Amino acid sequence: AQSVTQLGSHVSVSEGALVLLRCNYSSSVPPYLFWYVQYPNQGLQLLLKYTSAATLVKGINGFEAEFKKSETSFHLTKPSAHMSDAAEYFCAVSATNSGGSNYKLTFGKGTLLTVNP
Amino acid sequence: DADVTQTPRNRITKTGKRIMLECSQTKGHDRMYWYRQDPGLGLRLIYYSFDVKDINKGEISDGYSVSRQAQAKFSLSLESAIPNQTALYFCATSDFYGTGVTDTQYFGPGTRLTVL
Repeated sequence: AQSVTQLGSHVSVSEGALVLLRCNYSSSVPPYLFWYVQYPNQGLQLLLKYTSAATLVKGINGFEAEFKKSETSFHLTKPSAHMSDAAEYFCAVSATNSGGSNYKLTFGKGTLLTVNP
Repeated sequence: DADVTQTPRNRITKTGKRIMLECSQTKGHDRMYWYRQDPGLGLRLIYYSFDVKDINKGEISDGYSVSRQAQAKFSLSLESAIPNQTALYFCATSDFYGTGVTDTQYFGPGTRLTVL
């Protein structure tokens, strides 16, 4: 079974500071990993995904994440926070069914990012 | 227009009432999903459907039922609502690219349900 742990339910940074949101996964097979963002009163939007093609994945809005197998981590970073980055961020791992296709997402509990002026 | 729509966006109901949440998509995807979101718990899968004739339970299906009326429509029902079903409900869709290829899921805006 797959699982995801997001370290820190709430992260607060100053505008212009580095954003680092932590995600560790557990998977018995090579995982597919995702970061989603949820802005207030909206649905989830895909930020980026790891599908084994490259360990450093670039996403939208200047975010990127690095897959580290030895650390079972997939941390999300952004060099300089903007006020508009304030949202809740979810890490997710994709499970494989018996037919071999990845279909089920297991989500972490989320990290709320606050950006202070 | 949004690719994945959900109706209603907000609903307040009473314990014991039957309620249906609807999801429609214009992405042409075969796969559809229902999740619920609770504060501090992330999203949990209720039901999923790979096509009109293939419906499966997720991790928290008790107290819920679904109907896949067409490729584009997937409804979630609470037969007799209870207060602990108060949550934010999301519908999602994904395409299928073949064995071993990940399916990115696309989410609707959510339905906020309150059961009194």
